[in-house]
Amino acid sequence: DTGVSQDPRHKITKRGQNVTFRCDPISEHNRLYWYRQTLGQGPEFLTYFQNEAQLEKSRLLSDRFSAERPKGSFSTLEIQRTEQGDSAMYLCASSTGTSGTQETQYFGPGTRLLVL
Amino acid sequence: AQSVSQHNHHVILSEAASLELGCNYSYGGTVNLFWYVQYPGQHLQLLLKYFSGDPLVKGIKGFEAEFIKSKFSFNLRKPSVQWSDTAEYFCAVNALLYSSASKIIFGSGTRLSIRP
Repeated sequence: DTGVSQDPRHKITKRGQNVTFRCDPISEHNRLYWYRQTLGQGPEFLTYFQNEAQLEKSRLLSDRFSAERPKGSFSTLEIQRTEQGDSAMYLCASSTGTSGTQETQYFGPGTRLLVL
Repeated sequence: AQSVSQHNHHVILSEAASLELGCNYSYGGTVNLFWYVQYPGQHLQLLLKYFSGDPLVKGIKGFEAEFIKSKFSFNLRKPSVQWSDTAEYFCAVNALLYSSASKIIFGSGTRLSIRP
């Protein structure tokens, strides 16, 4: 079990630039989640994939955000035209997808984004 | 909507002191509850979880939590803390998504500092 991995771990960008983050879930985990954590707060849900299908999106996910999971394995989260308010830790989590709410999500180390 | 409240933002204890971190949630139905821990520079790790059964659950590193349904509480306890317990602690609850998966709703976290 290699755990959830994320790349890069840190990203500094200028306002208006595009950035892309990658998440590799635990192998054979069919569910993948993205969360965002700002300073002093707990993580907040952004979006969810069941295999390659994006099934849920939070209202926090503006039109500048897009996520993909093309082959049902790794996922990417892209932010276009970044704004200073996008500065946060972006967390990825995966699970094996038991029914209902009795699932345990395992988190990656996160990508810390700073928009100057 | 479900929510989680952690009333202690920062707790400072001496080594060997007993710990209790408060957590209250708002939801009238079946809940699944978690405590996650984030050590400095590390990713979120699952400390313990409650799905059903015995309301007193034991986790890793000597932590335990008690689910009290009548009080909507899931407080975290440890009889004797160590310097290595210095970390941020997040209480969380699962909320069902329309797609039958679930998202985690986190509290704002409690920073625990242990004086050696």
